[in-house]
Amino acid sequence: EVQLVESGGGLVEPGRSLRLSCTASGFTFGDYGVNWIRQAPGKGLEWVGFIGIKPYGGTTEYAASVKGRFTISRDDSKSIAYLQMNSLKTEDSAVYYCTRDNLAAPLLFDYWGQGTLVTVSS
Amino acid sequence: IQLTQSPSSLSASVGDRVTITCRASQDISTYLAWYQQKPGKAPKVLISAASNLQSGVPSKFSGSGSGTDFTLTISSLQPEDFATYYCQQLNNYPPTFGQGTKVEIK
Repeated sequence: EVQLVESGGGLVEPGRSLRLSCTASGFTFGDYGVNWIRQAPGKGLEWVGFIGIKPYGGTTEYAASVKGRFTISRDDSKSIAYLQMNSLKTEDSAVYYCTRDNLAAPLLFDYWGQGTLVTVSS
Repeated sequence: IQLTQSPSSLSASVGDRVTITCRASQDISTYLAWYQQKPGKAPKVLISAASNLQSGVPSKFSGSGSGTDFTLTISSLQPEDFATYYCQQLNNYPPTFGQGTKVEIK
């Protein structure tokens, strides 16, 4: 069974950093790209970024709203993807989900974690 | 690419037929998916490629459209279908979502 579990969320002050983890199981992690998607309280869904697989260079893509502040990486030996968030702003407060890429339909988000809540506040 | 869903919310009764529309700001062919999200839960994909029902999704859900105009139809609304529905374009980066349609009980 495919499972994705996010962790690392919490309360952080504006300007500080936080690293989220996405721990995968039930599939060969290194064969799949990973996306991060967030949802501010009571709001809609916003794609944050993507990391591809190592054989293709582990390419990353980011939303304009986080580019230069957020970095996605992966450790295939541990089946974990990371979202490093720096210079956090209050508008980054959201539930952060990781999703597995769909090999047949890139950017189709068919497996999601349960999400981890990030609150940026002083 | 901007996606505009309508309506933003609707009230319906059990057994009603419900239609939600999604309009894209440019041609996305059939690179569109529909998701259902219940409170406190992650979204669940219902339909991909505009009209392909995902495995395990009841046939009361159907999708149609291509280019810029798409619809999600629920043929007979049941209590478990009260949720928020999102469309998403897969045509190019960045992938974007509609603002959501909340389906509530009348």
